[in-house]
Amino acid sequence: QMQLQESGPGLVKPSETLSLTCTVSGGSISSRNDFWAWIRQPPGKGLEWIASISSIGRTTYRPSLKNRLTISLDTSKNQISLKLSFTAAADTAVYYCVRGHYETTGYYPLGHFDPWGQGTLVTVSS
Amino acid sequence: DIQLTQSPSSLSAFLGDRVSITCRASEDISIFLAWFQQRPGKAPQSLIYDASSLQSGVPSRFSGGGSGTNFTLTINNMQPEDFATYHCQQYNSYPLTFGGGTRVEIK
Repeated sequence: QMQLQESGPGLVKPSETLSLTCTVSGGSISSRNDFWAWIRQPPGKGLEWIASISSIGRTTYRPSLKNRLTISLDTSKNQISLKLSFTAAADTAVYYCVRGHYETTGYYPLGHFDPWGQGTLVTVSS
Repeated sequence: DIQLTQSPSSLSAFLGDRVSITCRASEDISIFLAWFQQRPGKAPQSLIYDASSLQSGVPSRFSGGGSGTNFTLTINNMQPEDFATYHCQQYNSYPLTFGGGTRVEIK
């Protein structure tokens, strides 16, 4: 059974870069019909998709965050990374790593998500 | 962006009740809608995809329906572990979007 585990600093200072890693076990991030994504949830609020990457490295970003985001794959470690630069308090959230499936739409990145990592809380504060 | 409106935003139910939650899309999304359950302090878990397909391992008391702009998640015979927040998500067009969530509480 595939499992995803997020890791990274829980506290980031404003204007600094948030860096997170997702380690995947029980499957390969190079699997052809899957993609990988980050979704965040500010405390007490709803879910927000922010970035996706296909198994061959094609990236897609939330338009409002595009200039600050980088998502990447490390196939040697079976990991997905996320970087968010110029952080502010509004970036405080639980960040989830998820696997995406697009076999029914046939188009990356249009897919649904399963499974999810347990999430990691990142607080942006001085 | 496609807006997803869930109703109600919260509801109370007894054990054994049947509960229905609606998700309305701002434009036609065909069948490309998923439902997730999120218990307090936990990550969301997939329940339904393609509007009505049950995710592996999910109890059959959960069901989904609809197409186009109107979708429903139904939970039959509410169990203690079903009291949680439910989210819908569309994947018909970019950017992917979620509904605001429906909190289901025990009465």
